[in-house]
Amino acid sequence: EAGVTQFPSHSVIEKGQTVTLRCDPISGHDNLYWYRRVMGKEIKFLLHFVKESKQDESGMPNNRFLAERTGGTYSTLKVQPAELEDSGVYFCASSQAQGQGVSPLHFGNGTRLTVT
Amino acid sequence: DAKTTQPTSMDCAEGRAANLPCNHSTISGNEYVYWYRQIHSQGPQYIIHGLKNNETNEMASLIITEDRKSSTLILPHATLRDTAVYYCIVLLSYNTDKLIFGTGTRLQVFP
Repeated sequence: EAGVTQFPSHSVIEKGQTVTLRCDPISGHDNLYWYRRVMGKEIKFLLHFVKESKQDESGMPNNRFLAERTGGTYSTLKVQPAELEDSGVYFCASSQAQGQGVSPLHFGNGTRLTVT
Repeated sequence: DAKTTQPTSMDCAEGRAANLPCNHSTISGNEYVYWYRQIHSQGPQYIIHGLKNNETNEMASLIITEDRKSSTLILPHATLRDTAVYYCIVLLSYNTDKLIFGTGTRLQVFP
């Protein structure tokens, strides 16, 4: 099966510009997550979709970040306007519906965002 | 905050077993122990998880102490491709909890 794919793999933008990151989860996975690693820091949770609904967005840093998952398939994460501290690697992950299970997360290889 | 503590780094010779320890002294009865790893320039990769019993899959073995306060991930025959940062994570459910990665253990496998 195809894994989680993220686009672009790299993005370099200037402070104040807008960037949109895309994530295509594994087909059939209801759960979609966004994480990020800011330079020198740990990987941190941003938010969790179940299908098209936001289950948990407690990790979103501020209102410059907007995540969507229309139709419950792919997801986008928009940063507008970008700031220097937004630089880092943004990871997307997906998993099957949970129920009583403990289905692990499958991660993409991330988008490396550099804000100059 | 991470519920686990791990050594910052470890070395292992290629072909030998790599034993990565993890302390999780505050783990509750229903929480699982998960291991993920991140190879440079890739996303985190699931390795294995367990609740009480020892577990083994094609990648690794997980040994959990009887009191569940610590565990050890074992890579039986480490290769250079196993060089990565390994994360031990305690989790009740993906429905209710977030993965908290912490700083992990940087494993360097050398020839």
